[in-house]
Amino acid sequence: DGGITQSPKYLFRKEGQNVTLSCEQNLNHDAMYWYRQDPGQGLRLIYYSQIVNDFQKGDIAEGYSVSREKKESFPLTVTSAQKNPTAFYLCASKRGLTGFSNQPQHFGDGTRLSIL
Amino acid sequence: AQTVTQSQPEMSVQEAETVTLSCTYDTSESDYYLFWYKQPPSRQMILVIRQEAYKQQNATENRFSVNFQKAAKSFSLKISDSQLGDAAMYFCAYRSQGGSEKLVFGKGTKLTVNP
Repeated sequence: DGGITQSPKYLFRKEGQNVTLSCEQNLNHDAMYWYRQDPGQGLRLIYYSQIVNDFQKGDIAEGYSVSREKKESFPLTVTSAQKNPTAFYLCASKRGLTGFSNQPQHFGDGTRLSIL
Repeated sequence: AQTVTQSQPEMSVQEAETVTLSCTYDTSESDYYLFWYKQPPSRQMILVIRQEAYKQQNATENRFSVNFQKAAKSFSLKISDSQLGDAAMYFCAYRSQGGSEKLVFGKGTKLTVNP
């Protein structure tokens, strides 16, 4: 079945450590997104990528980094510069821009990141 | 920048009854999309219904329908014949046409369905 796979489901980070969240999709979608969800809040955009080898900062990119070397994969690294990383992270993808602007974003099951 | 407001942090409904969740948004754009997503305890975000701003007809998906008032910038979700499985967080989201096509979310409404 086509879908978006996020791993791991739970992740713990030590002080000063970088951690990487995985997001893989087999939907042949061009655009991919990373959102952060805090309690009592809606989702906020961290980074997005509309094509391979290109990505853009979202609203809360500080302390995060991404790469897009393959169409299927869009990993998110939470760096030690992110002082409050505890949150639920959701990855999403969407069919390409041209002619598909009315398509919705599809979401993975998320990764919960906590500080040790 | 666009904003989305959900004024009801929590709502409850009796099984088989109807409930309406409110959403308002602020934008200066004329073309955009609106969505309702459901997030059950499993935390997965599930698309419930979507509306293109240029369409006057309100979207309907089985028991779910919207009341889209473009001039008032209002986009409410009506759930008919509520079922226990409808219990979840519901998020209203706005998306511009073009650009990053990012979703701008409201803070959500927690819906409880009572048997």
